[in-house]
Amino acid sequence: GENVEQHPSTLSVQEGDSAVIKCTYSDSASNYFPWYKQELGKRPQLIIDIRSNVGEKKDQRIAVTLNKTAKHFSLHITETQPEDSAVYFCAATHGGSQGNLIFGKGTKLSVKP
Amino acid sequence: DADVTQTPRNRITKTGKRIMLECSQTKGHDRMYWYRQDPGLGLRLIYYSFDVKDINKGEISDGYSVSRQAQAKFSLSLESAIPNQTALYFCATSEKDNYGYTFGSGTRLTVV
Repeated sequence: GENVEQHPSTLSVQEGDSAVIKCTYSDSASNYFPWYKQELGKRPQLIIDIRSNVGEKKDQRIAVTLNKTAKHFSLHITETQPEDSAVYFCAATHGGSQGNLIFGKGTKLSVKP
Repeated sequence: DADVTQTPRNRITKTGKRIMLECSQTKGHDRMYWYRQDPGLGLRLIYYSFDVKDINKGEISDGYSVSRQAQAKFSLSLESAIPNQTALYFCATSEKDNYGYTFGSGTRLTVV
């Protein structure tokens, strides 16, 4: 079945620096790759996603890149702010299920003022 | 976001007890899911349902059962709770052709 690996598990950056979180997936049939942000004590919320027919997508300070050949995708956050501190999860669709998401184990991002 | 509501928000139960977690949604989504979250393990899929008559096992279905009572309602049951089922449980919904999930607020379950 699908396996999603996420790195690093923790990331600490200074305010204003960039942060990059990387994920790899195993199922070549996966076609949708979302990123979720979970603040302490809250539910995960979708922040950006990308489909397999696109290589890059941007939304203000966040961007996601996808390399289908290498089966990896990355989240890029520029000009980080303290409110970006949270746990971030990547996910990929399970190819055989037509829509289930398999999640990575998460990255705890800390942005220091 | 009140679109996906989970009850209860917190629950402490004893080993061996049967417990039901409920999820209801007003988003009109066909697809509903139950995940559990454990520190360092991310979100793992327990069961999912693509419509009212469809129930499927996920990665970690042992010890759990579900019921899809209506398009808007999806319940998760622990028939005989055990301590390693202590976790944060999330319900989620999605549309058929849009895989982006909307999560509920979660149920924190403690089995003692």
